[in-house]
Amino acid sequence: SQTIHQWPATLVQPVGSPLSLECTVEGTSNPNLYWYRQAAGRGLQLLFYSVGIGQISSEVPQNLSASRPQDRQFILSSKKLLLSDSGFYLCAWSVRAAPLVEQYFGPGTRLTVT
Amino acid sequence: GDSVTQMEGPVTLSEEAFLTINCTYTATGYPSLFWYVQYPGEGLQLLLKATKADDKGSNKGFEATYRKETTSFHLEKGSVQVSDSAVYFCALTSGGGADGLTFGKGTHLIIQP
Repeated sequence: SQTIHQWPATLVQPVGSPLSLECTVEGTSNPNLYWYRQAAGRGLQLLFYSVGIGQISSEVPQNLSASRPQDRQFILSSKKLLLSDSGFYLCAWSVRAAPLVEQYFGPGTRLTVT
Repeated sequence: GDSVTQMEGPVTLSEEAFLTINCTYTATGYPSLFWYVQYPGEGLQLLLKATKADDKGSNKGFEATYRKETTSFHLEKGSVQVSDSAVYFCALTSGGGADGLTFGKGTHLIIQP
């Protein structure tokens, strides 16, 4: 069966510090991968998605970036965090070949920028 | 663009009450529709889905029917339990496979014993 991992689970970082969040998927090949952010009291916002190694699409301009160095690894980064970057970050995957399919989410990373 | 509208709550019910959480959508083409559930401090879990008009998704006593004529996908359960307390998200995808999901803002459900 497929599993999706995210780490760290919780992170507290000062404003201006760098960020690296990692997501890995097991039990599947060539997945679509996604990063979402859930701000307090709000819904989920799609940040990035990837259909393959090195292929990243950005949905929202911001000081975050994403990379996919391996087929089942997706990394969310920032060079300098802002207070507004605080939130719950969720990674998700879906089957690449089939359209209009569900996505499966990881456990999330709670980021607090102080 | 695509959008999903759902009641935000909190919705507070007594155990064994009937539950309805409304969800309506706007989308191009023929979207697939989903309900996800998020328990405190956790990620999202897929609860049920429907991929075409008149499909009924069901899981764990929850049901939702894809109504194209009213662009709705309301979530129902006949008798809720305290363990159903969570945030419920309605979502859709109408893209060509790689697009992300469009989510509603979530409905916080509280079930009291």
